Formats: sequence, structure tokens, C-alpha cells
Amino acid sequence: DGGITQSPKYLFRKEGQNVTLSCEQNLNHDAMYWYRQDPGQGLRLIYYSQIVNDFQKGDIAEGYSVSREKKESFPLTVTSAQKNPTAFYLCASRGQGVASPLHFGNGTRLTVT
Amino acid sequence: AQSVTQLDSQVPVFEEAPVELRCNYSSSVSVYLFWYVQYPNQGLQLLLKYLSGSTLVKGINGFEAEFNKSQTSFHLRKPSVHISDTAEYFCAVTRNRDDKIIFGKGTRLHILP
Repeated sequence: DGGITQSPKYLFRKEGQNVTLSCEQNLNHDAMYWYRQDPGQGLRLIYYSQIVNDFQKGDIAEGYSVSREKKESFPLTVTSAQKNPTAFYLCASRGQGVASPLHFGNGTRLTVT
Repeated sequence: AQSVTQLDSQVPVFEEAPVELRCNYSSSVSVYLFWYVQYPNQGLQLLLKYLSGSTLVKGINGFEAEFNKSQTSFHLRKPSVHISDTAEYFCAVTRNRDDKIIFGKGTRLHILP
């Protein structure tokens, strides 16, 4: 079955360390997205990519970086510059066509202490 | 700019009772609207979407939503809820395929026995 795989499901890191969250999709979608979810704040867009080797900042890109070297993969690095990295991170992809919906992975819960 | 307002952060309702989750949007142009559901520690799943045509949209799990252009609303309804409907529900809006999808802050549905 086609879908989006995020790994790992839970991730623990010490403050000051960079950490990379994996996102892989086999839906053949061009566009991929990273969202951050905090209680009561909904989903906030971090970065998105509409095509390989290209990506744009979302609303809260500071302290994060991404790459899009392959269509299937869109890893997110949470750097030590991110002031409040503890959160639930969701990756999504979107197909062609007007008003295509987002397809989401099951998320990675990152805890930084 | 687009925005989405979900008027209730939490909605308690008795099992087998009807429920309405409210969503209002603002946009100066035509929009496409979505409702997503998120079960605990999972990603979001699409419940239904409005693109054009009939203003009453039916989705999965017995949910439906009505698009009201004059009131800029897209409220979600279910005539009889089940304990398995306990989840967080997100309303979202976009203008076209290349635009971002903007999410509301979510409404947590609590089903009371």
C-alpha cells in the first residue's frame, strides 16, 4: 500500500544536539511538507517542497533545515538553534490536481531535554 | 490572506447524540475546504473535502459538512456519535494546488458514556 513513513516514532535528544527526522513516501507525489504540532496550536508549517532540489520556508522555519534530493524523501533536521524543539512533527505529501488533499505520516514525537 | 477559525477547542457530547463542530474561514477568493481527523499519537486522515458543486459534502465514518459561502462557514456534523469518534478534528483551507493549506487550531471531541 502507498503511504508516508516517518521514523522513528519517538526520539529523545539532549539540548544542543542536531537531530534528523526521516520522511519517505511511495505515493509518487511531487509536493512534501513538514508541520509542527503543539497542544492547542494546530499545525504550523515549517518547510515545504514542490519539486526535487527545491524547497521553501514555511511560517516557522527558524532553527530547522531540510533537503529534497529525491522525490521520495524529505528529511527534516532540527538544529540546536531551535529554541523549543520538543513537539510532534508531521510529514505530509500532496498529489497533482486542483485541491488535492494532504496525506500524512504518523508523526515523530521529539523530546529534547 | 486566508485564515481558519475553529470556534470550539473542546466539545463534549453524549454517545449517540448529534454533534456539530464549527469552522469559519476568511478569504478574498474562492477556496477549497477540508476536514481532517487525528486519533491520539497518529497523523491526520482526510474526512471530507469541498471543491465545488453541492454544498453538502459526505465523508467517511458518517460525517458530513455543509459549505455556506454567505456565512463563510464549513461546519462538520454527525447525527449520532460513537465512542470511536473520540479524536481531534481540524478544518483546513487552500486556494489552489500550489498554495499552502492553512489549518485551524483543532477541536477535541469528547464522547461521554
